[in-house]
Order: sequence, then structure tokens, then C-alpha cells
Amino acid sequence: LAKTTQPISMDSYEGQEVNITCSHNNIATNDYITWYQQFPSQGPRFIIQGYKTKVTNEVASLFIPADRKSSTLSLPRVSLSDTAVYYCLVDRSGTYKYIFGTGTRLKVLA
Amino acid sequence: DSGVTQTPKHLITATGQRVTLRCSPRSGDLSVYWYQQSLDQGLQFLIQYYNGEERAKGNILERFSAQQFPDLHSELNLSSLELGDSALYFCASSVGGENTDTQYFGPGTRLTVL
Repeated sequence: LAKTTQPISMDSYEGQEVNITCSHNNIATNDYITWYQQFPSQGPRFIIQGYKTKVTNEVASLFIPADRKSSTLSLPRVSLSDTAVYYCLVDRSGTYKYIFGTGTRLKVLA
Repeated sequence: DSGVTQTPKHLITATGQRVTLRCSPRSGDLSVYWYQQSLDQGLQFLIQYYNGEERAKGNILERFSAQQFPDLHSELNLSSLELGDSALYFCASSVGGENTDTQYFGPGTRLTVL
């Protein structure tokens, strides 16, 4: 099964851009990468999903290099309310097993 | 609010007991997923149902079982409970059964086994 690895924690200041990388060395051809945000005592919430190159929505961008062995979630101009745990998910197409990363605890400082 | 509901919110029980966790998916969603989140294991996928049928199985113990009913709500049954089963259990739902479908998570059930 694909194993995903993320930094355990990151600190940033309000207004800065934050980049969180997820390593997924064993990703298969048809697997997609999805990022979720989780606040304490709440369920994860969808942020963005991609397959390759770059995807952008109203809250984030997702960069996936050609070899797809990693992906980077980019949060522009973070605010205090972005303090949360961020997970990458590799959804294994064909086997339908959902492998969440270890999670990155982002703390945004004033 | 994701539209996914889970009951109960908290559950405290003793080792060896059996409990049932309930999940109601978002209106129109056909897939239900169950996850376990503990401090040392992170988010672990347990099982997925799509329109009443088991679709995918993850790291679900034999002591655990689940089902999805005709009205699409789902139940996760945990039996012969052990201290290590204490965790947050999340249910998620999605429109279809494809791996690329966005999953919407419920608020979770916190299980404490004493």
C-alpha cells in the first residue's frame, strides 16, 4: 500500500504563504491526491484534489511534479483561522483503499 | 456543517462490551465510509459501503463489522472491546463510489473504553 509522509508540524505568521509537502513514493498510475483540513474535535474537511501538475481553487493550490512521488499544498496568505491539521490522502484506485498521511499540524501566529 | 450526522457523540463503555455507532449520510450520497482516528495511528480507513454493498475494506478488525441499510444510513458495530479501541470514529459520505469522490465527514463519535 502507498505510504504517505508529511512534516509533523509547521509554524507560520499571518499573511504568509505556507507550503506543506506530502511524500507518496509508491503512488500508482491512477491514484489521485486529496488534501483535507481538520480542526480539533471535528471531522476532516476537503480542501483540494489533483492528479498531476497544478490545481488551484479559491482556498489553495496543489502542485504535483511529473514523477508524482510528492505533492505540495500551498495556502496563500494564511490567517489565524487556518491553524489546523492538514492531511494528504492517496486514494488507491482499483483497490479503493484510502491512505491518509500522518498529518501536519500548522500553527499560524499573529 | 457537512450534512453527515453521527450518533452518539460520546460513548463510554467497559472492556468486553459491544457498541453500535450510527451514521446518516448527506442527502443523495450513496457511499458511506468509516474511519478510526487515534493518537498513535492517525486516520485509519476501516470500510466503505456503496448503495448497500461493501465496496472496499481497510484495516478493520474481525471484531468490528458494519452495514448500510436500504435508507442508506450505516452502523458500525464494535464488539469484545479493548482499551486500544478507544478512539474517534468518523463516518464520511460521498455521492458515488469512485475513489476520486469528495468525502464529507461527520463530527465523529468519541469512544472511551475503560
